[in-house]
Amino acid sequence: QKEVEQNSGPLSVPEGAIASLNCTYSDRGSQSFFWYRQYSGKSPELIMSIYSNGDKEDGRFTAQLNKASQYVSLLIRDSQPSDSATYLCAVTPPGGSYIPTFGRGTSLIVHP
Amino acid sequence: SQTIHQWPATLVQPVGSPLSLECTVEGTSNPNLYWYRQAAGRGLQLLFYSVGIGQISSEVPQNLSASRPQDRQFILSSKKLLLSDSGFYLCAWSRQGLNYGYTFGSGTRLTVV
Repeated sequence: QKEVEQNSGPLSVPEGAIASLNCTYSDRGSQSFFWYRQYSGKSPELIMSIYSNGDKEDGRFTAQLNKASQYVSLLIRDSQPSDSATYLCAVTPPGGSYIPTFGRGTSLIVHP
Repeated sequence: SQTIHQWPATLVQPVGSPLSLECTVEGTSNPNLYWYRQAAGRGLQLLFYSVGIGQISSEVPQNLSASRPQDRQFILSSKKLLLSDSGFYLCAWSRQGLNYGYTFGSGTRLTVV
């Protein structure tokens, strides 16, 4: 069974620190990896996608992928209170349907 | 630019009543469309997805159904709601192909009483 695991948290970091969010997946051969941010009571918003091993940076966000270890992470530099949200990891397995499996999310709290 | 509209935002319905949630996408053609449910404290559960008009795949065969009468319109229905149908319903779209993430609608919070 396809599984995407995330620590539910909450992960609490001080303002200005680096927040590190982690995700592991079970389906070797998975091809596409996504991070979504979901504020309380709102719908998820796509913030990062990554497809190849290594790092991908976009502003304060860096996604890191290690397919050998089946591990994807999201780093948020200079964390702000507005980054407080639940972060969902999504992994697209091999095959033709392209339907991603979502993790349950990690709650991040950035305190002033 | 592409936009996705979902309504209503909030709905309170009695047990046994029917349900119709609608989702439309603008600014793109032939999108993949999805209905998800997110129960309190739980992850996203895929209910239905569609790759074209009239093509519906069901992941959760319960008392819910979906239809796609037009290319950019996706409807979630139920003839008789159960208490367990309460949750946050999300419509999403993506482009055809592998390497595209989802854009979600704003969601419908359904409470069955």
